[in-house]
Amino acid sequence: NAGVTQTPKFQVLKTGQSMTLQCAQDMNHNSMYWYRQDPGMGLRLIYYSASEGTTDKGEVPNGYNVSRLNKREFSLRLESAAPSQTSVYFCASSYQSRTSGFNEQFFGPGTRLTVL
Amino acid sequence: AQSVTQPDIHITVSEGASLELRCNYSYGATPYLFWYVQSPGQGLQLLLKYFSGDTLVQGIKGFEAEFKRSQSSFNLRKPSVHWSDAAEYFCAVGPNTDKLIFGTGTRLQVFP
Repeated sequence: NAGVTQTPKFQVLKTGQSMTLQCAQDMNHNSMYWYRQDPGMGLRLIYYSASEGTTDKGEVPNGYNVSRLNKREFSLRLESAAPSQTSVYFCASSYQSRTSGFNEQFFGPGTRLTVL
Repeated sequence: AQSVTQPDIHITVSEGASLELRCNYSYGATPYLFWYVQSPGQGLQLLLKYFSGDTLVQGIKGFEAEFKRSQSSFNLRKPSVHWSDAAEYFCAVGPNTDKLIFGTGTRLQVFP
């Protein structure tokens, strides 16, 4: 099992450019998450998807869109990148159900994005 | 509002010394508590978790944590630190409508 994979690992954009960060998991998890990590801020949730076909905003959704393509894949799109979006982006997944309770999240290796 | 506080931004210890990283939470119901570790340039790895039962939980890499409801704390401990433990440590609490709330992290530096 590869766990949670993210592409690309590094990316440099110019202000106004667009790009999509890809995330896939092979653990049959139903929930997937996108976070950004900035120094001194910990991890902040951008969007999450509790199941295939559903997405919800997290703490910092402005400037981002997401797509839950299928159960395995959850992509994050920056339509018009801004320097404030320079960050490290992490995708995570977990299995949540009423019977199994609240379970831990598994994280990908991250994408380091710089917007000039 | 639910929150997690890690009061120590940066801790430095000598190799072989004991370690305690502090975590305080604010949560209305019975919390699910987690400690994650992040090595430089890596993603987050789960160290341990508390859902219910014994308030002293054992994790990987020789770490343990104790849940103290009266103090709203879930401190992480290790009796003898190794140089490879140098990393950033995050405490998290859930579920907040199926989401985790993370603390801002504590960076651990280990001197030989």
